[in-house]
Amino acid sequence: QQKVQQSPESLIVPEGGMASLNCTSSDRNVDYFWWYRQHSGKSPKMLMSIFSNGEKEEGRFTVHLNKASLHTSLHIRDSQPSDSALYLCAASSYGGSGNKLIFGTGTLLSVKP
Amino acid sequence: ETAVFQTPNYHVTQVGNEVSFNCKQTLGHDTMYWYKQDSKKLLKIMFSYNNKQLIVNETVPRRFSPQSSDKAHLNLRIKSVEPEDSAVYLCASSLGQNTEVFFGKGTRLTVV
Repeated sequence: QQKVQQSPESLIVPEGGMASLNCTSSDRNVDYFWWYRQHSGKSPKMLMSIFSNGEKEEGRFTVHLNKASLHTSLHIRDSQPSDSALYLCAASSYGGSGNKLIFGTGTLLSVKP
Repeated sequence: ETAVFQTPNYHVTQVGNEVSFNCKQTLGHDTMYWYKQDSKKLLKIMFSYNNKQLIVNETVPRRFSPQSSDKAHLNLRIKSVEPEDSAVYLCASSLGQNTEVFFGKGTRLTVV
């Protein structure tokens, strides 16, 4: 069973619209959540990370985290065609060496001009 | 800009052959990883090394073996490949605990 669940599987939004992506972990040991973006044929690149309850904003991107429910969401306002990509949520837990990321299955976002 | 370099970009081989993939990072990171991304784009960690020491070894078939000569290099060898090994293998690195993981461009393996 996948420990990190993402929804929806795919999403189509008009250019200039708001895209909202969701992610929940079933592992109560996780401390950090990460959002990665992967354009077609490219490697994943980190967009944002969050470990505290609340909200974090960077430009058009906002991430929310509710640690009690282990739910995070990514919101993209004023979506652009260049935002079309696979968005991967990952969770990690503190302790040990390195950063073992457990990824969800992703949300494929398509922004239509 | 890429700071995690993987070779080759693509590799096509027959069932039963042995393959090796190379990875080098120039970020000065202590930890390196191998991830496998399947045809459904699911990304799963296979191995993690910290300063040449294996620290994570997920449940992968024994035909997979990582090799690290120093903290900047982490190679992956697959003995006797099988059709289900067809995937994109992504090498990555990070500075330490709960820090950003940087990915290479991947090696696409096709087993025929």
